[in-house]
Amino acid sequence: GEDVEQSLFLSVREGDSSVINCTYTDSSSTYLYWYKQEPGAGLQLLTYIFSNMDMKQDQRLTVLLNKKDKHLSLRIADTQTGDSAIYFCAERARDSNYQLIWGAGTKLIIKP
Amino acid sequence: GAGVSQSPSNKVTEKGKDVELRCDPISGHTALYWYRQRLGQGLEFLIYFQGNSAPDKSGLPSDRFSAERTGESVSTLTIQRTQQEDSAVYLCASSQRTSGGELFFGEGSRLTVL
Repeated sequence: GEDVEQSLFLSVREGDSSVINCTYTDSSSTYLYWYKQEPGAGLQLLTYIFSNMDMKQDQRLTVLLNKKDKHLSLRIADTQTGDSAIYFCAERARDSNYQLIWGAGTKLIIKP
Repeated sequence: GAGVSQSPSNKVTEKGKDVELRCDPISGHTALYWYRQRLGQGLEFLIYFQGNSAPDKSGLPSDRFSAERTGESVSTLTIQRTQQEDSAVYLCASSQRTSGGELFFGEGSRLTVL
């Protein structure tokens, strides 16, 4: 079945770049998403990428998509303490225009 | 309110009791989702409502689980005869559009079954 895999934790020093990785199984995915969950808050859409793109950049965020390897990454430049959160990767489910398949989330820990 | 509201935020219950979780979506959002989040696991789809269409119940894990939504308003998720494996965070999300639309999540209802 369809599956999305992420590491559960990532620890980086403040000011360094964070790279959160995600692998997915459905090569026909049209949209891939990154959601962010801050402590005590609901998930919020951070960014998304359409499958015909290789890269998308938005200020400190860079999303890279390698369709051949079914690998998605989120790079956060100049990581700040406010970036501490859980980051969820999700892909649009095959044959559905509303279902998403979610990863377990990567908790980003910022060291001073 | 401006966001998706869920209640209760925390619920502790005894095995065998029924629980009801409530979700108040963003006004005007036609699509509403319920997900279950277990520790260390991805969000598990439970049920999807879209306007007045028949809901997609394909994710409900057993007949102890049911959900209702009247029109485009509040939804309730009911778990009957709760079991310890039902312990999880139950997340509700709403969306303005059927496809490709951003999901707006509530903070979740944490259910603990003793």
